[in-house]
Amino acid sequence: GENVEQHPSTLSVQEGDSAVIKCTYSDSASNYFPWYKQELGKGPQLIIDIRSNVGEKKDQRIAVTLNKTAKHFSLHITETQPEDSAVYFCAASNGAAGNKLTFGGGTRVLVKP
Amino acid sequence: GAVVSQHPSRVICKSGTSVKIECRSLDFQATTMFWYRQFPKKSLMLMATSNEGSKATYEQGVEKDKFLINHASLTLSTLTVTSAHPEDSSFYICSARALAGTYNEQFFGPGTRLTVL
Repeated sequence: GENVEQHPSTLSVQEGDSAVIKCTYSDSASNYFPWYKQELGKGPQLIIDIRSNVGEKKDQRIAVTLNKTAKHFSLHITETQPEDSAVYFCAASNGAAGNKLTFGGGTRVLVKP
Repeated sequence: GAVVSQHPSRVICKSGTSVKIECRSLDFQATTMFWYRQFPKKSLMLMATSNEGSKATYEQGVEKDKFLINHASLTLSTLTVTSAHPEDSSFYICSARALAGTYNEQFFGPGTRLTVL
């Protein structure tokens, strides 16, 4: 089955700096890669996703890149703000395998004002 | 759009009782709903996949008689934790995948915190 590794597990950045979180996956058949933000005591919220036919996607301060050959994808947050502090999860799924998401271990991001 | 609700948000029960958690897609129809369990400071672990009108598919190691899942309509799935014990205490989260389109997006509910005394 799919295995998703996520690094780093914790990330502390100064407000205004950029944050980068990296994930690798093992199943070359995976074709959908979402990123979720989870605040304390709440469910995950989809913030951006990318499909295997695209190499990069951007939405305001958030961007995701995908390298299918190397089987890794990354989340980039620019101009970080204190409200970006949360736990971020990457995930991967294969549409042919029931769309089940396999999650990375999560990255706890702290943006210091 | 794409709002998923869960009820209750928090429940405390005595050991040996059963607890039912509801997951609803409020503004879309979901053929498939997923149930996850999350321990403190850990990632989400998929428990089962719930398909409307058919039996749920459980992940390896998840007891189907312990965690009963019913997906009676395109907007509602329920998870019943039967004969709950303290080790069942956890954060339970559902997600729903939209019926329409070819996208894979899953939208998550706010979670239910279960505490078994």
